[in-house]
Amino acid sequence: SQTIHQWPATLVQPVGSPLSLECTVEGTSNPNLYWYRQAAGRGLQLLFYSVGIGQISSEVPQNLSASRPQDRQFILSSKKLLLSDSGFYLCASGTGNFEQYFGPGTRLTVT
Amino acid sequence: AQSVTQPDIHITVSEGASLELRCNYSYGATPYLFWYVQSPGQGLQLLLKYFSGDTLVQGIKGFEAEFKRSQSSFNLRKPSVHWSDAAEYFCAAGFQKLVFGTGTRLLVSP
Repeated sequence: SQTIHQWPATLVQPVGSPLSLECTVEGTSNPNLYWYRQAAGRGLQLLFYSVGIGQISSEVPQNLSASRPQDRQFILSSKKLLLSDSGFYLCASGTGNFEQYFGPGTRLTVT
Repeated sequence: AQSVTQPDIHITVSEGASLELRCNYSYGATPYLFWYVQSPGQGLQLLLKYFSGDTLVQGIKGFEAEFKRSQSSFNLRKPSVHWSDAAEYFCAAGFQKLVFGTGTRLLVSP
């Protein structure tokens, strides 16, 4: 089975600072990868997904970007954080039968 | 537009009692259906999934779910709830991309 790693686990950043969250996957190859943001009472919002190296689809216009430099590495970035970027960020890895497996998440607080 | 509805925001169940969490979906075609559980501050764990075939599916931790095409529903059930089942439960539907419901928080009373 696959394992998804995310770091850092928590992060407090000032408004206007850059952001880099990393996700790596073990136990599978060529997965679909996903970044979600979870806000209280609002479920999961899909931000980006990738079907391969360098292939990124953005689901919502926003202050964030994603990159996939290696098959099992997915990075979420921002050049300048906004207060509204605060939230719980989850990375997921998808299988051929559309199951998604989630990492432990990163709690981001923008102050 | 595709959507997943979980009409109950909170549910409180006594330990040992049965549980049913509701999920309805709106999709162009019958999607793949999933239930996930999330403990506070953690990621989501897959409980069970429905792709095709038998409409009653069994999952981990004693959970099951029933797919009803006529009602566009995929309700999660457990015959006897344990205190450790207290968590938030998410229903999801889709294919390569999943649409998630807003979740149901389960509280278990002694």
